[in-house]
Amino acid sequence: NAGVMQNPRHLVRRRGQEARLRCSPMKGHSHVYWYRQLPEEGLKFMVYLQKENIIDESGMPKERFSAEFPKEGPSILRIQQVVRGDSAAYFCASSPIQDNQPQHFGDGTRLSIL
Amino acid sequence: KQEVTQIPAALSVPEGENLVLNCSFTDSAIYNLQWFRQDPGKGLTSLLLIQSSQREQTSGRLNASLDKSSGRSTLYIAASQPGDSATYLCAATNYGQNFVFGPGTRLSVLP
Repeated sequence: NAGVMQNPRHLVRRRGQEARLRCSPMKGHSHVYWYRQLPEEGLKFMVYLQKENIIDESGMPKERFSAEFPKEGPSILRIQQVVRGDSAAYFCASSPIQDNQPQHFGDGTRLSIL
Repeated sequence: KQEVTQIPAALSVPEGENLVLNCSFTDSAIYNLQWFRQDPGKGLTSLLLIQSSQREQTSGRLNASLDKSSGRSTLYIAASQPGDSATYLCAATNYGQNFVFGPGTRLSVLP
């Protein structure tokens, strides 16, 4: 039973390019969460999705960032026109339902902006 | 708005010692609280989940307690080992909301 899979593990982009981060939840999990961990800072919630629906995007910047979780395929976190401040580790977690179930985390994607 | 703090920020202990990590939260109406460990360059590993109706949870050498009235949770690690060295994070969630993480405690267990 594979865990939460994130790819790529490392991603390097130049300023102004687009970054696409992928997350495949654990088998049987239909809830996906994205978090960002900036250098020397704690984990911050970004967005919570169920299949084909964004449930809570209160932690996601209003511009340049978007997320989706299609009926088929992985969840995608997309960052357009990246800037140096986007450099961080982006973690995805999944759970079978939101309430009172532990979230299982992937190993993250480390995004570096040149 | 829920805020979570953890003390100490870093802790170094000799192997075999018992230790306690502290987590405080501002909104006592939490739904559950989860403890994680994070190894360098890795994701988070879930250790223990305590629901609001529970006082503690145990797994092996780990014991986590929850006191909602005082806004505190503790993670007790018995007979620490070098392999326990990691950053330990607590995260609290209120009903219908998402996890709010503390900044973590960096633990070093010296052989």
